[in-house]
Amino acid sequence: QKEVEQDPGPLSVPEGAIVSLNCTYSNSAFQYFMWYRQYSRKGPELLMYTYSSGNKEDGRFTAQVDKSSKYISLFIRDSQPSDSATYLCAMTSFGNEKLTFGTGTRLTIIP
Amino acid sequence: EAGVVQSPRYKIIEKKQPVAFWCNPISGHNTLYWYLQNLGQGPELLIRYENEEAVDDSQLPKDRFSAERLKGVDSTLKIQPAELGDSAVYLCASKGAGKYNEQFFGPGTRLTVL
Repeated sequence: QKEVEQDPGPLSVPEGAIVSLNCTYSNSAFQYFMWYRQYSRKGPELLMYTYSSGNKEDGRFTAQVDKSSKYISLFIRDSQPSDSATYLCAMTSFGNEKLTFGTGTRLTIIP
Repeated sequence: EAGVVQSPRYKIIEKKQPVAFWCNPISGHNTLYWYLQNLGQGPELLIRYENEEAVDDSQLPKDRFSAERLKGVDSTLKIQPAELGDSAVYLCASKGAGKYNEQFFGPGTRLTVL
């Protein structure tokens, strides 16, 4: 079993919809959680970073962490065609430089 | 500010040939990472440098892969000889000092081994 599980999709939604992307993990030592966005033929770029349970909002993006369930989510409100990309969750433990990534979810926003 | 630069962007070689990838991190970033990303997968760490020292190379297949960061800035990743299964994207990332583990990724080198 992988330490981090992520539904690979693909996921297609109409423009303006709310998108929910999710990851589960098995390592209870993970304390820091990130969401990266990766456009085709590009490297991943950091979208959201959080280290506590609860919600963190940044514009149209909300990251949610539930450590008791070992479950994290990324919500995208008012989705735009420019949000079409692969979204990768990543996580690490305290004092650890190594990130463990999910497989990524490929998202397409249909105009 | 320039981001992480990688070259070449694409490389096609025949199996058993050698290949090298180059990375120039963001200026001032002491930590440099090389990742392997297979199609439909997330990046997997190959090696991490702190300045010129390789501090985590546990995932680097040392029989055919090697890396160096001689002056603590640019880095080179080499495969010799390449195998069909090495076809993937090789990503370089760098990180500056600070409490957040924000790694900045380059665009990657897409390797195809025929």
